[in-house]
Amino acid sequence: TQLLEQSPQFLSIQEGENLTVYCNSSSVFSSLQWYRQEPGEGPVLLVTVVTGGEVKKLKRLTFQFGDARKDSSLHITAAQPGDTGLYLCAGGRDSNYQLIWGAGTKLIIKP
Amino acid sequence: GAVVSQHPSWVICKSGTSVKIECRSLDFQATTMFWYRQFPKQSLMLMATSNEGSKATYEQGVEKDKFLINHASLTLSTLTVTSAHPEDSSFYICSATSDWGYTFGSGTRLTVV
Repeated sequence: TQLLEQSPQFLSIQEGENLTVYCNSSSVFSSLQWYRQEPGEGPVLLVTVVTGGEVKKLKRLTFQFGDARKDSSLHITAAQPGDTGLYLCAGGRDSNYQLIWGAGTKLIIKP
Repeated sequence: GAVVSQHPSWVICKSGTSVKIECRSLDFQATTMFWYRQFPKQSLMLMATSNEGSKATYEQGVEKDKFLINHASLTLSTLTVTSAHPEDSSFYICSATSDWGYTFGSGTRLTVV
């Protein structure tokens, strides 16, 4: 069974602080996706990384895919209350379309 | 980009009744759709993979006779929760694959009373 361990599961910090969310696995993924979900809505794709060592930036968000394509991180710089939400990572395999989901990180940014 | 429309957004039903949730791909053809269930503050749990024109593939522990999935066209998949019970109350989300990757519906909050 492929597992994608996401940590931390819950994080509450003050506005302006930095934070990092991690997703780790013993399995290799062909791609790693990060989603943000608001309460009562479906997940919204933030980014997809596919190359080992790849780094993508989305404004204050930096996403990194591990060299071995087994782990990924999401770093938020100078967090803002609007960043509050549930962040989910999901790993993809070429063999099928199914995604392996992390447990999610509930992020709260306090003003 | 790809858009997936999911209806209804929320539904309240009496115990023992059935509820149908629709998931439509609006501007692309979705050969494969996925149905997820999500409990509060938790990640998505894949229930089944739906392929157009064939039987759905259910994940272990998901009752196929209780959660009926129909994918009769390339733009529509439905999930019917039959004989719903309070423990079926949850947030159900569909997603479809396209050239743009995975696109999710907005979800359906089901409350069984």
